[in-house]
Amino acid sequence: GENVEQHPSTLSVQEGDSAVIKCTYSDSASNYFPWYKQELGKRPQLIIDIRSNVGEKKDQRIAVTLNKTAKHFSLHITETQPEDSAVYFCAALRYLKGAGKSTFGDGTTLTVKP
Amino acid sequence: DAGVIQSPRHEVTEMGQEVTLRCKPISGHDYLFWYRQTMMRGLELLIYFNNNVPIDDSGMPEDRFSAKMPNASFSTLKIQPSEPRDSAVYFCASRPSSYNEQFFGPGTRLTVL
Repeated sequence: GENVEQHPSTLSVQEGDSAVIKCTYSDSASNYFPWYKQELGKRPQLIIDIRSNVGEKKDQRIAVTLNKTAKHFSLHITETQPEDSAVYFCAALRYLKGAGKSTFGDGTTLTVKP
Repeated sequence: DAGVIQSPRHEVTEMGQEVTLRCKPISGHDYLFWYRQTMMRGLELLIYFNNNVPIDDSGMPEDRFSAKMPNASFSTLKIQPSEPRDSAVYFCASRPSSYNEQFFGPGTRLTVL
């Protein structure tokens, strides 16, 4: 089955700095890579995702890059703000005709210090 | 739409008791997922359904766990008998077949004493 490794497990940055979280996956057939943000005591929520036919995707201060050859993808947050503090999860899955299950990384706790 | 609805939000029970968690997916969503989240093991997929049919239950930890989806608007996750190591937050999520994003419910925090 799929195995997803996520690094670092904790990340502390100063407000305004950039944050980068990296994930590697094992199944070369995986074709969809979402990132979730989970605030304390709340549910995971999708913040950005990327399909395997795209190398990079950006949404305001958030971007995701994918390297299919190396089987890794990264989340980039620029101009971090205290409200970005949360646990971030990456996931990998192989969609086939609408079906597929996610394998999640262990999460990264991001702390943005004012 | 109110989103994915889960009940109860919190459950405290004693070891050996039966626990039933409930989920109402978003209307029109074909897929329903049950996850368990703990500090030690992170977010784990337990089982998922497509059109009310269980597709993959390989994540169900043992026979004490069972899940059903009798219709498109309701699913249950049952633990019988419960054990302290089952203490976790259990999330239900749903998505339509035409869209990749999963929508999570608020979760049920289960504590087994």
